[in-house]
Amino acid sequence: GAGVSQSPSNKVTEKGKDVELRCDPISGHTALYWYRQSLGQGLEFLIYFQGNSAPDKSGLPSDRFSAERTGGSVSTLTIQRTQQEDSAVYLCASSLALTGGRSQPQHFGDGTRLSIL
Amino acid sequence: SQQGEEDPQALSIQEGENATMNCSYKTSINNLQWYRQNSGRGLVHLILIRSNEREKHSGRLRVTLDTSKKSSSLLITASRAADTASYFCATARVYNFNKFYFGSGTKLNVKP
Repeated sequence: GAGVSQSPSNKVTEKGKDVELRCDPISGHTALYWYRQSLGQGLEFLIYFQGNSAPDKSGLPSDRFSAERTGGSVSTLTIQRTQQEDSAVYLCASSLALTGGRSQPQHFGDGTRLSIL
Repeated sequence: SQQGEEDPQALSIQEGENATMNCSYKTSINNLQWYRQNSGRGLVHLILIRSNEREKHSGRLRVTLDTSKKSSSLLITASRAADTASYFCATARVYNFNKFYFGSGTKLNVKP
C-alpha cells in the first residue's frame, strides 16, 4: 500500500484479556515506531525498531507490553492482561533509514483505538 | 516525560487570519519537527528544522527556531477551514536523534 496500515482500527476488549495490534509500514522504510496517545494528549513513545539493530524499548510502560518486528517489515504490539488505563489510541509510524545524524520525517498510520471495559 | 510543550492549547480564528503556535523544549536538540493531526487520523509531517537553521518555509507555513530560548514557532498564513486540526511539535535530542518527544499539541479551529 501507499501508506502505513494499522489493524484493527478499533478494538474493544475486557480487562485482563490479551490484545495484538498490527502495523504494516511503508515498503522500504527500515525504521518503525509505536506511540500511545491518550484522549486529547500528545504522543507517548513506546518502542522503536531500526533495521536489524536491537529495538529501543525504553518507552514501554510495563512488562505487559511487548513488540516484535518480523522480517524487518510488519510489527505487532502485544498487551497482556489489559488494564483500563491501557485504553488509548496506539499509533505506528515508519520512516526511511536514520543515517548520518539526520532524522527522517515519520509517516503515521491512522491508529488502533483500544478500549478496555 | 514529554519534551515539547505547545502554546496555546487551543486557538480559534477566522478564515484568512494568520495562526501562530509556539513550542518550548527543555534539552538541546538535533532537530524539531511539526506535525498536523486531523480528528481520528494519524499525524502528517509538515516541516523539519535542524538545530543550525533559524527559519524554514513551506507554502503557507513558516517555522522559526531559537535554540537560545529553546523555542520554535509555527505560523500558518491566510488560514483556511481545512487547516482545522491539532498541531504537534516533536524534538529529537542531540545524541539520540532517532527518538522523538512530542508535545501535547495546539488545537486550531479555523472558522469559515
